[in-house]
Amino acid sequence: QSVLTQPPSVSGAPGQKVTISCTGSSSNIGAGYDVHWYQQLPGSAPKLLIYGNSIRPSGVPDRFSGSKSGTSASLAITGLQGEDEADYYCQSYDSSLGGSWVFGGGTKLTVL
Amino acid sequence: QITLKESGPTLVKPTQTLTLTCSFSGFSLSSSGVYVGWIRQPPGKALEWLALIYWNDDKRYSPSLKSRLTITKDTSKNQVVLIMTNMDPVDTATYYCAHSGPVYCSGGSCQMYYFDYWGQGTLVTVSS
Repeated sequence: QSVLTQPPSVSGAPGQKVTISCTGSSSNIGAGYDVHWYQQLPGSAPKLLIYGNSIRPSGVPDRFSGSKSGTSASLAITGLQGEDEADYYCQSYDSSLGGSWVFGGGTKLTVL
Repeated sequence: QITLKESGPTLVKPTQTLTLTCSFSGFSLSSSGVYVGWIRQPPGKALEWLALIYWNDDKRYSPSLKSRLTITKDTSKNQVVLIMTNMDPVDTATYYCAHSGPVYCSGGSCQMYYFDYWGQGTLVTVSS
């Protein structure tokens, strides 16, 4: 059971917008620790998609955006494309038990 | 250009000890603020953080696996080694090593609790 909670799956048609939520608690997101997002294409290693809640690394399209509020965060993908079909993971830092890097359970995005 | 690559056995028997090596290039693990972490992913399941080691040899472990893990570094060889004892079939997973993302500051705080570059991963199967 993951420390951060994500929906198991989301879907959308090409061109549409989807949002993936990530819910934490007072010892991680709610404590002020930022949320980071990774995209994992089938058969590949995770790739950093968003860091610091909303910062896109160089090369990541602006169709991807992130936000954080309270104990939750969200990843939004606009203008869905077939190549966006992947698993998405949120990640943060948890200050309990000596400090841990924690991940969400992952969300499978299906482009219809 | 930062690259990381994991190496180690693909098959281990239950109760055996697993030793994985992360060989990297493009950065130095003696540079202030840098760390390298290990993350695993059982087939079809989520990512799980295991351990990490900082440039100053400070170490952090997953609370649930702490008793079984040891992480070390060899700065001269650009390698980080993860040792996991008493392997069990539930430890079957792809094991990744990853580089710490640069520190950034926003909203009055500076943080660097994320990974910006990942290795390709190595699948370890635990079976008799």
